[in-house]
Order: sequence, then C-alpha cells, then structure tokens
Amino acid sequence: EPEVTQTPSHQVTQMGQEVILRCVPISNHLYFYWYRQILGQKVEFLVSFYNNEISEKSEIFDDQFSVERPDGSNFTLKIRSTKLEDSAMYFCASRETRGPLNEKLFFGSGTQLSVL
Amino acid sequence: AQTVTQSQPEMSVQEAETVTLSCTYDTSESNYYLFWYKQPPSRQMILVIRQEAYKQQNATENRFSVNFQKAAKSFSLKISDSQLGDTAMYFCASSNNAGNMLTFGGGTRLMVKP
Repeated sequence: EPEVTQTPSHQVTQMGQEVILRCVPISNHLYFYWYRQILGQKVEFLVSFYNNEISEKSEIFDDQFSVERPDGSNFTLKIRSTKLEDSAMYFCASRETRGPLNEKLFFGSGTQLSVL
Repeated sequence: AQTVTQSQPEMSVQEAETVTLSCTYDTSESNYYLFWYKQPPSRQMILVIRQEAYKQQNATENRFSVNFQKAAKSFSLKISDSQLGDTAMYFCASSNNAGNMLTFGGGTRLMVKP
C-alpha cells in the first residue's frame, strides 16, 4: 500500500527557533493536510491545501504557521518562532480527490516536535 | 461546527472476546461521514472503518463493525474476536460533506489481554 512519508520522526528545537516539518504525500494525491496531537489530547486539524493554496485552516493555524509545496513531491509545515505549547506530534495526510471524503485519507507516521 | 465525544478513556478485553467502543457526535451538517481510526504505539493513524450518514446499513470490515444510530447521534465500534494486535488508541471522527476536515474525539485506549 502507498505511504505518506514524514521526516524527521523526531525534532527537538529551542523556543523561538524556526522549524520545518517535511512530508512526501502519495504521488497522485492532490489534497494535503496537517493535523497535530498534543500528548494526551485530541488530534486537531490545522490546515488543508490544494492547488498550491490553503483551502481551510483552523484557529490554531495562526501567522506563526505556513505551508508550502515547494516542488512536485514535498509538502512542508513551517513554524516561524516555536513556543513551548507547539510541542506535539504533527501528522501529514493526503488523498487523491476532494469529493465527499468517501475515499481513504492516508496519514503519515508523524513528526514528534519537542520545543525546549 | 462538529463535536465528537468518546466517553470511555480506557477499556480492556480478553483475547477472542468482543468489545464495543462508544462514540457520540453532534453536527449541523445535512450529510456527513463518520470514521474510526486506530493509533497503535507507533502513533500512525490507520483507518479502521467508515460510514456515510445517509446510508442506513451499518458498515462492516472483517472483524470490525459499527452500530450507527443517526437519531441518537451515536456511532459505536464493535470488535469481534479481539486480537493482541488490536491493542491501540481508537479515535472516532466525523467529517462534513465537503470532506475537508476531520473532527476527532478524545480517544479510547483499548488493551487486549491474553
């Protein structure tokens, strides 16, 4: 089965530093997502991306966050100035078409971000 | 806006027995979709089963089935013949018809005991 790949699996950074989390969605997929899960809490939607622009974003996704598809394969999440509360597992996801979500949404294995 | 609630933080079941995980939801959407995701210790999110709200028939996937009660806004997951590999966190989730965003419940940690 095809996979969404996320790198690194674990990232440690100092508060105030910029981090970029990387994702390689499945090659024929067109819709891309970032979710996060703070330890012990719910998985939360951050942002969706299609046709090189943001489709929808949550209240969490403030000006400190940005997403980009710099080439035909990568999809990145940037946090400009990390805060302690940004420590979480970040999941990338993708799917082939938008539709009514009647086909599978593929999740990556996540990047655990630790802000010190 | 959608909300999803899982009232059982933890559950356990003996291997080969059946267990049911509860989920309730609230939505203002006329059509929506419901999902159960499994998150094993590796923390990858794996789709277990999905249900379209306009379909009355309950979805089944091998040992996994749902009891979808639309009027009660309830969507429970039944795991039959539980296996040790079913040990994981299980998340209930909903999506609106546009399908652009999943709303997750808080999760139920399931332990299958030998």
